[in-house]
Amino acid sequence: AQSVTQLGSHVSVSEGALVLLRCNYSSSVPPYLFWYVQYPNQGLQLLLKYTSAATLVKGINGFEAEFKKSETSFHLTKPSAHMSDAAEYFCAVTLSGSARQLTFGSGTQLTVLP
Amino acid sequence: SQTIHQWPATLVQPVGSPLSLECTVEGTSNPNLYWYRQAAGRGLQLLFYSVGIGQISSEVPQNLSASRPQDRQFILSSKKLLLSDSGFYLCAWSELAAPSTQYFGPGTRLTVL
Repeated sequence: AQSVTQLGSHVSVSEGALVLLRCNYSSSVPPYLFWYVQYPNQGLQLLLKYTSAATLVKGINGFEAEFKKSETSFHLTKPSAHMSDAAEYFCAVTLSGSARQLTFGSGTQLTVLP
Repeated sequence: SQTIHQWPATLVQPVGSPLSLECTVEGTSNPNLYWYRQAAGRGLQLLFYSVGIGQISSEVPQNLSASRPQDRQFILSSKKLLLSDSGFYLCAWSELAAPSTQYFGPGTRLTVL
């Protein structure tokens, strides 16, 4: 079975500060991992994905995530938060590589303070 | 490039009325298609997925049904809406072969009064 846990349902950062959103997965085999962003009243947009290539994955809008097998983590970071980053972020995992078996985390709401 | 459309964008319906939400995908063939619901504060819930025309799998028992009359068309329906059907409905598609990624539509906000 696969699962993903997002630590912190709400995260607040100041504009210009580091953004760190945590995601840990449970898997006995190498997973495929995804981060999505959802702005209010919009669909989910793919930020980045890990598919067993480079462990440091760069995505859109200046975000990146690092796959750490020893920590079973795939945390999302951005060096400097912008007001436009305020949104909900979802981590997702699939073991088989098939999107049919995609499991989503419960989401983290990011607030950016001026 | 591929695009996914959903309509309507918003919908307000009385309890007991029927529902039909439509999703279409352009720029790809034989996609897997998905319906999700987001209720307030409850994350993403997978409702249905489809691997081909007329092939629908239901993930949770409920008041809703889905159909796929054409390769790139996915419809979510209900004969009689309940208050609990309110939420944000998202359609998504993915490639048939793994590794694959889900791509989401803009969503439909449904309010049942």
